[in-house]
Amino acid sequence: GQQVMQIPQYQHVQEGEDFTTYCNSSTTLSNIQWYKQRPGGHPVFLIQLVKSGEVKKQKRLTFQFGEAKKNSSLHITATQTTDVGTYFCAGPRTGGFKTIFGAGTRLFVKA
Amino acid sequence: GAVVSQHPSRVICKSGTSVKIECRSLDFQATTMFWYRQFPKQSLMLMATSNEGSKATYEQGVEKDKFLINHASLTLSTLTVTSAHPEDSSFYICSATPSSGEFSYYEQYFGPGTRLTVT
Repeated sequence: GQQVMQIPQYQHVQEGEDFTTYCNSSTTLSNIQWYKQRPGGHPVFLIQLVKSGEVKKQKRLTFQFGEAKKNSSLHITATQTTDVGTYFCAGPRTGGFKTIFGAGTRLFVKA
Repeated sequence: GAVVSQHPSRVICKSGTSVKIECRSLDFQATTMFWYRQFPKQSLMLMATSNEGSKATYEQGVEKDKFLINHASLTLSTLTVTSAHPEDSSFYICSATPSSGEFSYYEQYFGPGTRLTVT
């Protein structure tokens, strides 16, 4: 069946270091979304990418959608302790409007 | 905008009892709401899609008679866990997408979640 895979599963960084999480879909996606879930919290919508090769920035966060629309990445420059949490990518299920989530990447930032 | 509330935030119940969880879109209307279940340190697992004015659609493996969903209005969906057992203990999260044109259909706004503990 359709799968959305994310790596790494978790990453520990020193504050100030960069961080990247990668998302790969087994199928071509019409769009991809990214969410952040703080420890003990709920997922919060960050962004949606729609176009092939699209790159969007939100302050220190850079989101990229692959040319084939099957992969995506989230890069955080100079991480801060406030970046701690789990980052999920998500895409629409084939043929419908339901969303399939990746397993998430847990980011730990050491001050 | 696009705020979703959930109530209660935490609930402890005894095995065999039923628990109702409410999900409300506070500042928008949502024809469709989704119910997820999340185990510790795991991803979100879609349980069912709640459709206003019609029956919910359940994902494979989710018992519809155990997890009753009612989407009574464009701003309220409820999930009732019937005859709860300890294995039903989990974090239940709802989400909704505003029906208005400024939002992409796929943008989901999540409620704060309900942590259910069945003793």
